[in-house]
Amino acid sequence: GAGVSQSPSNKVTEKGKDVELRCDPISGHTALYWYRQSLGQGLEFLIYFQGNSAPDKSGLPSDRFSAERTGGSVSTLTIQRTQQEDSAVYLCASSPLAGGIQYFGAGTRLSVL
Amino acid sequence: GIQVEQSPPDLILQEGANSTLRCNFSDSVNNLQWFHQNPWGQLINLFYIPSGTKQNGRLSATTVATERYSLLYISSSQTTDSGVYFCAVEPRDSSYKLIFGSGTRLLVRP
Repeated sequence: GAGVSQSPSNKVTEKGKDVELRCDPISGHTALYWYRQSLGQGLEFLIYFQGNSAPDKSGLPSDRFSAERTGGSVSTLTIQRTQQEDSAVYLCASSPLAGGIQYFGAGTRLSVL
Repeated sequence: GIQVEQSPPDLILQEGANSTLRCNFSDSVNNLQWFHQNPWGQLINLFYIPSGTKQNGRLSATTVATERYSLLYISSSQTTDSGVYFCAVEPRDSSYKLIFGSGTRLLVRP
């Protein structure tokens, strides 16, 4: 596609429910990143995928968070047993190569009630 | 870990004015990127600038890697320049992830 696409754009869920957030990167981009933007913590790195290499999961805040990237393209970020502190905007970015310019999607605004 | 500090945190300009935003970082980096987040939340990459100077229209940026800072210049500001400007660095020891500063919130008044 023309840009990084994220869905849904907004998600409201109840505490304790699981949620899945989707990212469709720019076609041909090998690197994919997830970040989180919240009022208290600013923009934080979560996880990074590069081709078929093992992902860098060093930014995931807890084991309730996981992500996968199928076929080197679409990625899904899953948050299990959501908590109120998970409320944030989740941003996905892709890059044509590792360490290159990162292009961001519009984000998914997650609200946990 | 690396610290990224941006100044000023907030800036109000009259349309047509010039401004300089600063980004300081505490350790060596592989690259540095400047982003603009518009009022709708979209992050747009402005510059990929690990060192040197680049210009794009009314915007230019300079990174002095040896002194660990970068500057973003906005000339003849327009109301559409409003939003938050982020500096982000890729630390030398990282796997290409970006560490973001806390941003400079800019409001350009007509």
